[in-house]
Amino acid sequence: AQSVTQPDIHITVSEGASLELRCNYSYGATPYLFWYVQSPGQGLQLLLKYFSGDTLVQGIKGFEAEFKRSQSSFNLRKPSVHWSDAAEYFCAFGAQKLVFGQGTRLTINP
Amino acid sequence: SQTIHQWPATLVQPVGSPLSLECTVEGTSNPNLYWYRQAAGRGLQLLFYSVGIGQISSEVPQNLSASRPQDRQFILSSKKLLLSDSGFYLCAWQTGSEAFFGQGTRLTVV
Repeated sequence: AQSVTQPDIHITVSEGASLELRCNYSYGATPYLFWYVQSPGQGLQLLLKYFSGDTLVQGIKGFEAEFKRSQSSFNLRKPSVHWSDAAEYFCAFGAQKLVFGQGTRLTINP
Repeated sequence: SQTIHQWPATLVQPVGSPLSLECTVEGTSNPNLYWYRQAAGRGLQLLFYSVGIGQISSEVPQNLSASRPQDRQFILSSKKLLLSDSGFYLCAWQTGSEAFFGQGTRLTVV
């Protein structure tokens, strides 16, 4: 069965610090992988996606993610977070169907 | 261009009343269509997905049903709403590495 897991429900980092949000998937082949961000009361915004090629994917707002087949992971990173990055982040996996992780809520300390 | 229309944006319904949320897509053919629900402070739960006209897969047992009468139309329904049906409902479509989301419907059952 296909599934996606975000192990961290809530992460707090200081403004200017680096960030890594974890995402692991379970599937027998390479799926389509996505990261979305949701601000309070808003819809979903696509940050980046991976489906083939270079395993390091650049997205909007300074985010990047690296696909690691050996670890079945697609972790999201940002070198230096801004207060406006505070939001809910969702990893999603698309193979037979589009499935989301539970989400990671990011809080930024000033 | 590829767009997705979902309406209404907000809805307040009494317990026991029926529900019909509609989602239509443009700019694509034979997409996979999805309905998700997001309860307050929770992640995105996949409710239904459809790979073609009249083909509906239900992910969780619930008080809701879905139908796909046309290729680009996906409807979420209920005969009698429960308080627990309150939440934020998102429609989405996916073809391969592309996925688009509607703006969502915030349903409050009172």
